Amino acid sequence: DAGVIQSPRHEVTEMGQEVTLRCKPISGHNSLFWYRQTMMRGLELLIYFNNNVPIDDSGMPEDRFSAKMPNASFSTLKIQPSEPRDSAVYFCASSFGTGGGREQPQHFGDGTRLSIL
Amino acid sequence: EDQVTQSPEALRLQEGESSSLNCSYTVSGLRGLFWYRQDPGKGPEFLFTLYSAGEEKEKERLKATLTKKESFLHITAPKPEDSATYLCAVQGPGSARQLTFGSGTQLTVLP
Repeated sequence: DAGVIQSPRHEVTEMGQEVTLRCKPISGHNSLFWYRQTMMRGLELLIYFNNNVPIDDSGMPEDRFSAKMPNASFSTLKIQPSEPRDSAVYFCASSFGTGGGREQPQHFGDGTRLSIL
Repeated sequence: EDQVTQSPEALRLQEGESSSLNCSYTVSGLRGLFWYRQDPGKGPEFLFTLYSAGEEKEKERLKATLTKKESFLHITAPKPEDSATYLCAVQGPGSARQLTFGSGTQLTVLP
């Protein structure tokens, strides 16, 4: 089975440019999560979607960050304008949420390593 | 606020030398505790889910256990390919789906 697919794997761009990260979740999963990983802060949840609807975006650092999920098989995380402090590895994860009871594990993609110069 | 503390930060073992990694957590109403393995340049790879105190899960050389305050990942007779960063995460109660991750234990197994 295909896992979570993220693109691009690496992105280097200059400060002020728009950056778009892409994610294809595992087929059949109804929840999608965007995380950011840095040495200083570890893994932090930015936003998650349930059935394509954004549920909790309290982790999104600023208005420069936005995320969309137009359908069950695709999501984007956009940063506009980008800043050097946005440099990190961004992960997408998906899971099947049952709406209660025992939580199913989240499965992660291999991430996008973003460098803002 | 949910909190997860992992220890040690780094661990070096000789091949075959068994040991344990610790994950201490504070959460009001645990819905699940998750162990992941992360290799350099890769995303976290799911290992185990534990839901209630006393529960244990095993996979090859790894065994995860859970109490009301902490979880252990026991590694029996490790091999160099077990070298990775091991992450622990908890999920609290309610409808929030957020996982709170610890900072990880970087395990190196020397041949």
